[in-house]
Amino acid sequence: ETGVTQSPTHLIKTRGQQVTLRCSSQSGHNTVSWYQQALGQGPQFIFQYYREEENGRGNFPPRFSGLQFPNYSSELNVNALELDDSALYLCASSSDRDRGRGYTFGSGTRLTVV
Amino acid sequence: AQSVTQLGSHVSVSEGALVLLRCNYSSSVPPYLFWYVQYPNQGLQLLLKYTSAATLVKGINGFEAEFKKSETSFHLTKPSAHMSDAAEYFCAVSDQWAGNNRKLIWGLGTSLAVNP
Repeated sequence: ETGVTQSPTHLIKTRGQQVTLRCSSQSGHNTVSWYQQALGQGPQFIFQYYREEENGRGNFPPRFSGLQFPNYSSELNVNALELDDSALYLCASSSDRDRGRGYTFGSGTRLTVV
Repeated sequence: AQSVTQLGSHVSVSEGALVLLRCNYSSSVPPYLFWYVQYPNQGLQLLLKYTSAATLVKGINGFEAEFKKSETSFHLTKPSAHMSDAAEYFCAVSDQWAGNNRKLIWGLGTSLAVNP
């Protein structure tokens, strides 16, 4: 089975710009979650998508938005980038048919905002 | 609300020694509990999980964890540390399945160093 792939692996953006991060879910997984992991911290839940709809959101402002596509791949969009947005962004997929099996994580996108 | 506390942000052991990484959780419902490992500049890899079946859970790379409801703990152990075990370890708790709105709540992580 395929894993979760994220692109790009590294990205440098300027404050105020917009960025799109991409995630290809593991085959058969219909749920995707995005997490932000600042340096030296645990991951923080951004939001979750199930069947192309957002069905859970953490404490992140609206400038963090997402999409999930029919093939279950997804995007994380961040507008008006701030320096504090610099972090590792992790995508995780799971299936509602595999309850309790946990999430499969991608290797992440390292975003640096300068 | 669920929460996770990992005691000790840094743990150092000698190669061949016992590894013990502590995790305590708070949950208003029976939890699902997870341990993940993160190597430098990489994503998170699932080590093991507890999902209300056997309380002693065996995972990959020789790790295991025991769910103790009375102590609200889910400590991670490995009998003999290997140099390749040096990494960041995260404990996480999630709601049991309630529709599809589930998220993981994470501890702050424990950095494991293995000395030769």
